[in-house]
Amino acid sequence: AQSVTQLDSQVPVFEEAPVELRCNYSSSVSVYLFWYVQYPNQGLQLLLKYLSGSTLVESINGFEAEFNKSQTSFHLRKPSVHISDTAEYFCAVTRTGGGNKLTFGTGTQLKVEL
Amino acid sequence: DVKVTQSSRYLVKRTGEKVFLECVQDMDHENMFWYRQDPGLGLRLIYFSYDVKMKEKGDIPEGYSVSREKKERFSLILESASTNQTSMYLCASSSIQGYGYTFGSGTRLTVV
Repeated sequence: AQSVTQLDSQVPVFEEAPVELRCNYSSSVSVYLFWYVQYPNQGLQLLLKYLSGSTLVESINGFEAEFNKSQTSFHLRKPSVHISDTAEYFCAVTRTGGGNKLTFGTGTQLKVEL
Repeated sequence: DVKVTQSSRYLVKRTGEKVFLECVQDMDHENMFWYRQDPGLGLRLIYFSYDVKMKEKGDIPEGYSVSREKKERFSLILESASTNQTSMYLCASSSIQGYGYTFGSGTRLTVV
């Protein structure tokens, strides 16, 4: 079975500052990794995913995450955040091969302040 | 625009009532899932289905059942609602390859 740890439940940051949201996973088999974002009163939206290939993956709104197999991490970063990035972010993992359920972390609330 | 639709955004039910939460997807996805979301606990899988009439228990199935009579529809049933089932319920679907889910907007259920 897989598990995900998001150690930071809340991350406050000022607008235009950089941010890193941490995600560590545990698995005895190869995995796919995902970051989802949830804006208030909405469902989750896929932000980015790592399936294979380059370990650095990017989203269309400036976020990036790097798959680090040796450290079993998939941290999410953005060099300059905006007020509109305020949301809850969930890291998720599934084993490779497809068709399998995702296991989610407990989420990190990113609050961007002026 | 492809999507997953949950029939209600907010629902208030009384203890002991039978509750149906409906989810419909228009992407011809094989896999469908029901999660509940609670503060500090993240998303926990209740049930999932890989095909019509097939279902498998997730991590917290107690007090719930599901029905999948058609590929596009996956229903979550609370046989006898209790206050500890007050939560946000999220439905999701994915293709057979499972490369990420598409989520519905969620149903916030309050049991009084």
